[in-house]
Amino acid sequence: AQKVTQAQTEISVVEKEDVTLDCVYETRDTTYYLFWYKQPPSGELVFLIRRNSFDEQNEISGRYSWNFQKSTSSFNFTITASQVVDSAVYFCALSVHTGANSKLTFGKGITLSVRP
Amino acid sequence: DAGVIQSPRHEVTEMGQEVTLRCKPISGHNSLFWYRQTMMRGLELLIYFNNNVPIDDSGMPEDRFSAKMPNASFSTLKIQPSEPRDSAVYFCASSPDTSVAPQHFGDGTRLSIL
Repeated sequence: AQKVTQAQTEISVVEKEDVTLDCVYETRDTTYYLFWYKQPPSGELVFLIRRNSFDEQNEISGRYSWNFQKSTSSFNFTITASQVVDSAVYFCALSVHTGANSKLTFGKGITLSVRP
Repeated sequence: DAGVIQSPRHEVTEMGQEVTLRCKPISGHNSLFWYRQTMMRGLELLIYFNNNVPIDDSGMPEDRFSAKMPNASFSTLKIQPSEPRDSAVYFCASSPDTSVAPQHFGDGTRLSIL
């Protein structure tokens, strides 16, 4: 069975601070995919990034960066110079490659509040 | 490009009534997913279709819940009879027919059962 743990439930920072959201996953599959989604106060779920288990390169997209480490089963997300618009719930998710079955297992989410 | 379209956006009804939630996936996507989000349980997968066929309905809470996908461009999630504990946000998502692709979510239906 797959499991995603987001141990932090709520984080509050002041604008321009850097913040890291932690994600730890469990799976016995060797081929899997990791995702981050953002849920702003308006409620929709926005896809941010997908990584596959064979690509441990870190990724940077503007102020966002992701650190994937298989040795610790972690896929952490860092926001640099946070802004008020980053306030949202962030979900980490995992899917395994099992043919036609592509179920996503979500973590509980981290509520990030960025104060002006 | 149109994303996943869900209707209604909000639904308030009395317990015992039938509720039907609707979803139109992104054109060309072969997989469709129904999720429920609550404060207590987070995001839960209810049922998943591939090429209009239900693949996994193990997340459907009980027989009061049913889902159909009569064609590639439409799916419904029905609750009959509804109960107050069914109050939640229900999301529909779609993706191309592979686990590598991200799922794209609709804006959700906020359901309140009084």
